[in-house]
Amino acid sequence: AQSVTQPDIHITVSEGASLELRCNYSYGATPYLFWYVQSPGQGLQLLLKYFSGDTLVQGIKGFEAEFKRSQSSFNLRKPSVHWSDAAEYFCAVGDIIQGAQKLVFGQGTRLTINP
Amino acid sequence: GAGVSQSPRYKVAKRGQDVALRCDPISGHVSLFWYQQALGQGPEFLTYFQNEAQLDKSGLPSDRFFAERPEGSVSTLKIQRTQQEDSAVYLCASSFGTGGTGELFFGEGSRLTVL
Repeated sequence: AQSVTQPDIHITVSEGASLELRCNYSYGATPYLFWYVQSPGQGLQLLLKYFSGDTLVQGIKGFEAEFKRSQSSFNLRKPSVHWSDAAEYFCAVGDIIQGAQKLVFGQGTRLTINP
Repeated sequence: GAGVSQSPRYKVAKRGQDVALRCDPISGHVSLFWYQQALGQGPEFLTYFQNEAQLDKSGLPSDRFFAERPEGSVSTLKIQRTQQEDSAVYLCASSFGTGGTGELFFGEGSRLTVL
């Protein structure tokens, strides 16, 4: 069965610093990979996704992620964080079953930004 | 509507009561999903509809959980005889197509607290 591990439950970085959130997955075939962000009281918003092709994926809000098959990882990065990036971040792996993305999420990483 | 709308946003139920949670997907979206998010956890898949057909209900935790989408638009998740372990945020998501690669749009969720 698929699974996703986000090793860091909580990360604190200073505004303007670089960010990397870790994600490791377990999946038998070529995975579909996603990063979502959840702000307090808000729904999940898709940051970026990887289905195939270029292993470096660009997303919204200046985020990027790199798929590394050899390490079963899909880490999320941002060169310079803004206070508005404070939120919960979820990595997910998906199956396409009967025409739908059935997602398995990690536990999430809560990001705090120091001014 | 402009986004996925869920109601009620907050529901407090006494143990043993039945509850119904409503999801209004984005107009024209064929695929609809329900996820359960316990406190401090990532969302977990409950069920999936393609139009009015419930194609996957493998994530429903017990026979107390029932979902329907009779006309292929609005969906209702019903929980009978609620238990304390049912306390969670219930997220609804929809997507336009059935190819499986389209973006999922999530609602803000319905937070259920069972006393």
